[in-house]
Amino acid sequence: DQQVKQNSPSLSVQEGRISILNCDYTNSMFDYFLWYKKYPAEGPTFLISISSIKDKNEDGRFTVFLNKSAKHLSLHIVPSQPGDSAVYFCAASAFITQGGSEKLVFGKGTKLTVNP
Amino acid sequence: DTGVSQDPRHKITKRGQNVTFRCDPISEHNRLYWYRQTLGQGPEFLTYFQNEAQLEKSRLLSDRFSAERPKGSFSTLEIQRTEQGDSAMYLCASSQGQVMNTEAFFGQGTRLTVV
Repeated sequence: DQQVKQNSPSLSVQEGRISILNCDYTNSMFDYFLWYKKYPAEGPTFLISISSIKDKNEDGRFTVFLNKSAKHLSLHIVPSQPGDSAVYFCAASAFITQGGSEKLVFGKGTKLTVNP
Repeated sequence: DTGVSQDPRHKITKRGQNVTFRCDPISEHNRLYWYRQTLGQGPEFLTYFQNEAQLEKSRLLSDRFSAERPKGSFSTLEIQRTEQGDSAMYLCASSQGQVMNTEAFFGQGTRLTVV
């Protein structure tokens, strides 16, 4: 049972345009959401996060939007750069509602390619 | 401190052998996690420590798997009687324990191949 779903295995955009990566979740207990970026042969690198009490968090070129009613979040990258090409993982945790559990549940990832 | 360190980076072993991986977290982090990632999948949670206490274990962690963090610093993950299905990338991560919902920082992983 996939609790965190990234339905697009890949996405290709032109440099300078917006990249939108989507993520859906099924567990209403999730209260914290994160995006990680992963290059080949490296571990995931933290990018940005959002708490369930917010609907938007922005950090430079990266913005995460959360729609709790739809159980959907998205990562916007503006403007996209070739160095952003990587696999992006959406992750969620249920810290408060599951007694302090720190475990992250990850999606399968979306491979972003930014073309020059 | 350059981040989370894992050793070895790669391990090839024969089926039935035991293997042990080591993780050194970021020094001020008291929380340490182990994940496993197979091809085409996201990382899957295995277990989590706060200091030396193992607080949670996934059902993925069969009785052939054991993890320790004896002094609340580095951790080891041992797999006994390895099977081909154990082939995966094993990722370690750490986070600070002072603030709720802080991000976890990952190491580069240990890639295990069981032949």
